[in-house]
Amino acid sequence: NAGVTQTPKFQVLKTGQSMTLQCAQDMNHNSMYWYRQDPGMGLRLIYYSASEGTTDKGEVPNGYNVSRLNKREFSLRLESAAPSQTSVYFCASSASGTGHPYEQYFGPGTRLTVT
Amino acid sequence: GQSLEQPSEVTAVEGAIVQINCTYQTSGFYGLSWYQQHDGGAPTFLSYNALDGLEETGRFSSFLSRSDSYGYLLLQELQMKDSASYFCAVKANQAGTALIFGKGTTLSVSS
Repeated sequence: NAGVTQTPKFQVLKTGQSMTLQCAQDMNHNSMYWYRQDPGMGLRLIYYSASEGTTDKGEVPNGYNVSRLNKREFSLRLESAAPSQTSVYFCASSASGTGHPYEQYFGPGTRLTVT
Repeated sequence: GQSLEQPSEVTAVEGAIVQINCTYQTSGFYGLSWYQQHDGGAPTFLSYNALDGLEETGRFSSFLSRSDSYGYLLLQELQMKDSASYFCAVKANQAGTALIFGKGTTLSVSS
C-alpha cells in the first residue's frame, strides 16, 4: 500500500497563476482533508470531505477550491495564486467508524512557492 | 472558537523524560490527539485520549484531564530520533473527523 500520495512534491508559481494539487489514498478511507502548514502556525484545515460527494470548508478556505473526484482522490485548486499561499500543503485521510476516528494518515506534502 | 495552547520549544538530553503540555478550548469535546512530525516530513499519529487518565504506548504516554481542558504527552528514555515537532489536536466543530491542531512544540534532544 502506498498510503496517501501527493503530486507534485514541489511547485513554484507566479502570482495569478492557477494550479491543482492532487491527492490519492489507497486505504479505502471515507474522509479526506487538506491542510496548510506555515512556520510557527501549525497545521490549519483548508477543506475536508467526510465522504465521497461531500466537501466542507475548514479554518482557512479563502482562495481555494476542492473536488472529491471519487473515494480515492481529493484535489485542491488555487484559481489565482497569491504570495500568501506560499506554504506546505498536506493531504490526509482517515477511516470512520473503526479504530481511532481521529487517526489521520498524511501524505508527504507539496511545497508551494508563489512569487 | 477553538484553540489549543502548547509550548513552542522544549529541550532535553538523551535518556531524560520530557512532558509536553496542551490546554484546549473547544465545544463538543471528543478527545485529544497527538502527532509527531520530523523536520521535512509528514505528521504521524501518536496517540488519542477520549477519557481521563493515562494511555501508555511504549516510551510514549498521553494524559487527559477533561475537567481541566488539559493534556500532556510524556516521552521517556529520550533518544536523538525523538527530536521533532509534536502537535496536539481536537476535533473541529464541523461534522466528521476534521481536526484543529495546536501550533506545535519543537523538541530538541541533545547528547
